[in-house]
Amino acid sequence: TQLLEQSPQFLSIQEGENLTVYCNSSSVFSSLQWYRQEPGEGPVLLVTVVTGGEVKKLKRLTFQFGDARKDSSLHITAAQPGDTGLYLCAGFETGTASKLTFGTGTRLQVTL
Amino acid sequence: NAGVMQNPRHLVRRRGQEARLRCSPMKGHSHVYWYRQLPEEGLKFMVYLQKENIIDESGMPKERFSAEFPKEGPSILRIQQVVRGDSAAYFCASSPSLTSSLYSTDTQYFGPGTRLTVL
Repeated sequence: TQLLEQSPQFLSIQEGENLTVYCNSSSVFSSLQWYRQEPGEGPVLLVTVVTGGEVKKLKRLTFQFGDARKDSSLHITAAQPGDTGLYLCAGFETGTASKLTFGTGTRLQVTL
Repeated sequence: NAGVMQNPRHLVRRRGQEARLRCSPMKGHSHVYWYRQLPEEGLKFMVYLQKENIIDESGMPKERFSAEFPKEGPSILRIQQVVRGDSAAYFCASSPSLTSSLYSTDTQYFGPGTRLTVL
C-alpha cells in the first residue's frame, strides 16, 4: 500500500498569515488530488495535479506537484477564517484508476 | 443537479444488529466507491462497484461487511452483527465511466457520509 504523509497535522494561525501544507510519499503517484473536508461533511475536491512540476492556482491557494510525482504542497496566502477545515491529499495507487489513497490530513484553524 | 446522496446521515445501532447504508450516485455516474473514516484517522478505501458488479473489494473486512450496486436503486453497504469498532463515518463517492487508461484522473465526488454509532 502506498502511503501519503501530511505535515503538519495541526495548524492554528491568525487571519492574514500564509501557510504551506505538505504531502509526501516514497511512491510515485499518477496524479494527486487535494480535498477540503468540513465537520460533518464529505471531502470536496479542490484540485487535481497530474504532471510532475505542475503548479495550479485557485484564488489564494497554490498547489504544486513534485517533479518526481511523489510529493505535493498546498500554499495558502492571506488565510481567512473560511479556510478552516481538514485538508486531505489523495492519489491513485499505481496501476489503478479507482482506489484513492488518502493522506493523514492537516487540520487548519484560522482565527480572527 | 443533485450530488451524491447518502442516507441515513446518522445511524445508531446496538452491538449485534445490522446496519444498512445507502448511496445514490450522481446522475449519469455508473461507478461507486465506499470509504471509511475512523475517528481521528484518514479515509480508507473499502470497495469499488459498477452496476451489478464488485470490481475491487480489497479494502473490505473479510467478515460481516458486504456491498452491492444493483441494476436499479442505490448502492448498499451492509454491516452485519455490528461491533463498537465499526463506529465511523462511511463515505460514498461516484464517478462517471473511467477512461481506458490505467492512469485516469477521473474525479470522485463524495457524498456527505453516514455516521454510524454502535452502542
